[in-house]
Amino acid sequence: NAGVTQTPKFQVLKTGQSMTLQCAQDMNHNSMYWYRQDPGMGLRLIYYSASEGTTDKGEVPNGYNVSRLNKREFSLRLESAAPSQTSVYFCASTVSSYEQYFGPGTRLTVT
Amino acid sequence: QKEVEQDPGPLSVPEGAIVSLNCTYSNSAFQYFMWYRQYSRKGPELLMYTYSSGNKEDGRFTAQVDKSSKYISLFIRDSQPSDSATYLCAMYNNNDMRFGAGTRLTVKP
Repeated sequence: NAGVTQTPKFQVLKTGQSMTLQCAQDMNHNSMYWYRQDPGMGLRLIYYSASEGTTDKGEVPNGYNVSRLNKREFSLRLESAAPSQTSVYFCASTVSSYEQYFGPGTRLTVT
Repeated sequence: QKEVEQDPGPLSVPEGAIVSLNCTYSNSAFQYFMWYRQYSRKGPELLMYTYSSGNKEDGRFTAQVDKSSKYISLFIRDSQPSDSATYLCAMYNNNDMRFGAGTRLTVKP
């Protein structure tokens, strides 16, 4: 039982490049989330998916897109990366919304 | 003004000390109050959650919520070096989850 897994662990992009962050959970949770964590800002919600086939914007969705591929997988895409998107990205899943289980994170640097 | 305010610290205490971590918030609609622990370069993990006002105890950890003051606290008794981490408060209501910026705690042997 791996919980929530994320790939890649680290990534460096040039401004304007695109990439997809992958997340998978094996806990049969309905809801999944993408957050970014920046110093002094805490965790901020980018997008969430309450169930397979649905996605909704969070607090900071601009510059991102998501896909809920199936119940297990939820991906985050940066179409044209900007230096302001340098951050640590966490995926989380939950059965109860407030009790969230987080992945190990992806450290992204955009130069 | 941020929706959730948390003193970032850092906080350094000797082993065995009682630690008090606090958050204030502005949205009175929040119903669930959580504390997450995050070790360096890891994802946050849920430590405790409380529904509405009151106290909850789990071993050396006690969470308190005072909704009238919009103030929550986490107390750690007999702190251990393994408690050294960043502690994030979080609040939730109706698909709206907000986190504090985190307090970095170091417990020195």
